[in-house]
Amino acid sequence: GNSVTQMEGPVTLSEEAFLTINCTYTATGYPSLFWYVQYPGEGLQLLLKATKADDKGSNKGFEATYRKETTSFHLEKGSVQVSDSAVYFCALSEYYGGSQGNLIFGKGTKLSVKP
Amino acid sequence: NAGVTQTPKFQVLKTGQSMTLQCAQDMNHNSMYWYRQDPGMGLRLIYYSASEGTTDKGEVPNGYNVSRLNKREFSLRLESAAPSQTSVYFCASSEARDRYGYTFGSGTRLTVV
Repeated sequence: GNSVTQMEGPVTLSEEAFLTINCTYTATGYPSLFWYVQYPGEGLQLLLKATKADDKGSNKGFEATYRKETTSFHLEKGSVQVSDSAVYFCALSEYYGGSQGNLIFGKGTKLSVKP
Repeated sequence: NAGVTQTPKFQVLKTGQSMTLQCAQDMNHNSMYWYRQDPGMGLRLIYYSASEGTTDKGEVPNGYNVSRLNKREFSLRLESAAPSQTSVYFCASSEARDRYGYTFGSGTRLTVV
């Protein structure tokens, strides 16, 4: 079945450090890939997405590239801020028969950024 | 603001009590979902409704029932709460024909004692 594996946290960085959170997936077809972010006490918000191979999703300085050959969708940011402290979820959804399939999540990676 | 609204935000139940979690969306989405979030487990799908009038089991449906009351509303019921159902519950909605992911509510934190 389809699945998402992301690096375990917590990840602790200093402000302005470079961030990478690894995400790999297993899927039978051609999934869309997503990164969601959850700030403390809140629900999940869509951070970025990519719908086909070699697409790059980007938002708020975060980027991720859909790599079909390595089945990966790693999240990166060049310079993190304290306000980026949150839990980050990688997810996939297959699209077939004209409809989006259910979203499947990784277990989440908690990021803490220190001033 | 448009989005997904969940009520209540917090609830404490005694073992064996019942309750219904409410969810409503105003984006005219066809599909709605209930997830639970537990530490170290990520989000797990409880039930979903691909369209008005249909519901299906997800990964962890035992102990829960759902009702798709109309296109806007999708409720989750715990008939006899157990401590294992202590969790944060999220409702989400999506447009089935697009690839833009889901919109989530802010969650219900449920504690069963």
